[in-house]
Amino acid sequence: GENVEQHPSTLSVQEGDSAVIKCTYSDSASNYFPWYKQELGKRPQLIIDIRSNVGEKKDQRIAVTLNKTAKHFSLHITETQPEDSAVYFCAASIGSGGYQKVTFGIGTKLQVIP
Amino acid sequence: DGGITQSPKYLFRKEGQNVTLSCEQNLNHDAMYWYRQDPGQGLRLIYYSQIVNDFQKGDIAEGYSVSREKKESFPLTVTSAQKNPTAFYLCASRTSNLNYNEQFFGPGTRLTVL
Repeated sequence: GENVEQHPSTLSVQEGDSAVIKCTYSDSASNYFPWYKQELGKRPQLIIDIRSNVGEKKDQRIAVTLNKTAKHFSLHITETQPEDSAVYFCAASIGSGGYQKVTFGIGTKLQVIP
Repeated sequence: DGGITQSPKYLFRKEGQNVTLSCEQNLNHDAMYWYRQDPGQGLRLIYYSQIVNDFQKGDIAEGYSVSREKKESFPLTVTSAQKNPTAFYLCASRTSNLNYNEQFFGPGTRLTVL
């Protein structure tokens, strides 16, 4: 089955600096890669996603890049703010039609220091 | 928030007892998922269901059972065969529409075995 590795497990940055979280996946059939943010005590929520036919996607301060050949994808957060502090999960999804199975990474705890 | 609910928020169980966690969604989603979240291990898939009356084992299905008799409901039973059931359980749902891959999560149930 699919295996998703995520690193680092913890990340501390100064407010205003950039943060980068990296993930690798094992199954070349994976075709959808979402990133979820989970604030303390709350449910995970999607912040950005990318499909396998796209190399990069941006949404304001957040961007995701995908390298299908190397089977890795990364989350980039620029101009970090204290409210960015949370646990971030990457995931890789295999599916076609209505079928989809999602495998998550272990998560990265991001701390933005004011 | 809203659209997918889980109950109860906190659940305590004695060893040897079965317990059922509720998950309900009014999003008209076909697919539903159960994940277990432990510190440092991310989200691990227990069971998933793509349509009513059909479900598949995930990566850690041993000691768990599910049913999908209605589109809106996907209850999870934690049986006495589950050796270490104390964890945070998250339910999620997703439309089968190819253009929308986002999984929507419920608020979670924290299960503690006494």
